[in-house]
Parts: sequence; C-alpha cells; structure tokens
Amino acid sequence: DAGITQSPRHKVTETGTPVTLRCHQTENHRYMYWYRQDPGHGLRLIHYSYGVKDTDKGEVSDGYSVSRSKTEDFLLTLESATSSQTSVYFCAISESQRGETQYFGPGTRLLVL
Amino acid sequence: EDKVVQSPLSLVVHEGDTVTLNCSYEVTNFRSLLWYKQEKKAPTFLFMLTSSGIEKKSGRLSSILDKKELFSILNITATQTGDSAVYLCAASNAGGTSYGKLTFGQGTILTVHP
Repeated sequence: DAGITQSPRHKVTETGTPVTLRCHQTENHRYMYWYRQDPGHGLRLIHYSYGVKDTDKGEVSDGYSVSRSKTEDFLLTLESATSSQTSVYFCAISESQRGETQYFGPGTRLLVL
Repeated sequence: EDKVVQSPLSLVVHEGDTVTLNCSYEVTNFRSLLWYKQEKKAPTFLFMLTSSGIEKKSGRLSSILDKKELFSILNITATQTGDSAVYLCAASNAGGTSYGKLTFGQGTILTVHP
C-alpha cells in the first residue's frame, strides 16, 4: 500500500464547529487530492494540490478550504461544519505527471450533529 | 460538465458466474479510464486504460475501452466471494491545468454468494 495516512480516522462534531482533517504521505508524490464519498454519488473531488502551496478547487469545494505547506501534508478544513458535510473523506496521492493513477488513504468518517 | 455513469448499480451472482460491469463517460479532453475496487475501505487501483481495443488483464479480471462509443467494461470470470465489493470507474480530464482530475461513477455493488 502507498504510504498514506489520514487523521483522525473517525470524528463526531457539532454543527458550526471548525474541523481539520489531515492527510500525510511518505511517498514524496507531487499531487494530492481530497474527495468525499456519499451514497449514490461515488467519489467527488473537493480540492486538490499540484505542489506545495499550489491548490485548486474541485467540484464540491463550497464550505471547505485546504492548505499544503509541506510536500507530505495536505490539510482539509471545514470552516463551520454543517450536517450536509457528514461523509467519508478520502485523501489520494499521485506521482504521475498527469496525476491519473491515484492511490487512496484509509478514509476519515465524519459525523456532524 | 464531465459525467461518468455505471451500470448496473448492483448485481448479485453466485460463485463461478461471469459478470460484466459497464461504464460510460462524457469527459472533455478525455485521457484515460480507471477502474477501482472498494471493499469497505479505501478504493484500490485495478486498471488504467488509455487506448481503444486493447484489453488489460489481471488474473480473472479484464477490461477494455472503446473511445469511439465512450464506454468501458470490466469482466470478472469465475467469480469468488472475495470479489464482492463496490467497483468504481473514473475518467480523467487531461485538458489545461486539470492535473489528472478524475470524475467517478456511482459505483456498481457486486455481491457474490457461495
């Protein structure tokens, strides 16, 4: 398995609180991605990074921000969590120039009450 | 808007059966089609296809891409209970600064009974 860890693995929080999820890789890959997975929707891209301090929005970025200050870490922040953000969050990494073959972390289950 | 549709959404078979999973896509600047297997945890990579008509195989699994008709199939022969999983397909957009952004289908839930 690619060296990807996510923390925390499970989190329960209340509406309106900020939440930060961390993705850490030991592969030195350039490209990193955050997805959310919900029943009936498959995986949807939230944000991605193509280098340190280089990030861009995916298809469901509203309510989320990201930061990448080091190659190995990609943080996803929910500024003010809402119940609609209850989901499973996956981080993925890729080494290829076009970032296609992505390898996924173990996921974080987030419940917003 | 890029779109990937998988069918069927769920499938129940018995061990030894052969199954075919379908994936159709509409992606601007299409580059490749990827298949993943997900078993109650993170998706694991199976295949990446970039050329039409060239079959990729791994054991009992095989996949092919048709870039003219914009679809791919994943075949699993002699299914086993360990094949039970959600199978995801994804299409990559190679345009501009897409950096390999993938659009995923909803997934096909395969259940293999003993």
